Amino acid sequence: DGGITQSPKYLFRKEGQNVTLSCEQNLNHDAMYWYRQDPGQGLRLIYYSQIVNDFQKGDIAEGYSVSREKKESFPLTVTSAQKNPTAFYLCASRGEGGGFVYQPQHFGDGTRLSIL
Amino acid sequence: SQQGEEDPQALSIQEGENATMNCSYKTSINNLQWYRQNSGRGLVHLILIRSNEREKHSGRLRVTLDTSKKSSSLLITASRAADTASYFCATAALSGNTPLVFGKGTRLSVIA
Repeated sequence: DGGITQSPKYLFRKEGQNVTLSCEQNLNHDAMYWYRQDPGQGLRLIYYSQIVNDFQKGDIAEGYSVSREKKESFPLTVTSAQKNPTAFYLCASRGEGGGFVYQPQHFGDGTRLSIL
Repeated sequence: SQQGEEDPQALSIQEGENATMNCSYKTSINNLQWYRQNSGRGLVHLILIRSNEREKHSGRLRVTLDTSKKSSSLLITASRAADTASYFCATAALSGNTPLVFGKGTRLSVIA
């Protein structure tokens, strides 16, 4: 079955540590996204990539970094510069068929990051 | 930036009742989409309505769009306990190739 896989499901970060969240998709989608969700809140865009080897900052990119070396993969690194990283992180992708603007976003099941 | 604002923030109803959620947005859009999120899970796409459409149905879901008021509503008829989730609207910009912008969501609780 096609879909998006995020790992790990739970992640703990120590002070001063960088951690990397994995996102893999087998939907052959060009566009991929990272969102942060705080309790009772909506989704805030961290970074997005519309094609391999290219990505753009979203609304809250400070303290985060990404790479897009392969179409299938869009890992997110939460750096030590992100002072409040505790949140639920969601990865999504979006395809082109039938017109990009009419395509829904497909989401993984998230990674919950906590501070030790 | 969050464009969609859902109303109410939380809604609690009895099984069998209808649930209505509203979404308002600020700028012109190409289309508006509704998503559902079960607790601790990712979002799942429910329905898309284009800017030139006024109403759309999918099973027990009915979505309306009023572009003059920049608002949309999602109606779930004959609610079931399994409909308990958060519901988000998301807008697609006219330019088309920018990310969807999500609202803060409505938490729906359906009591059996």
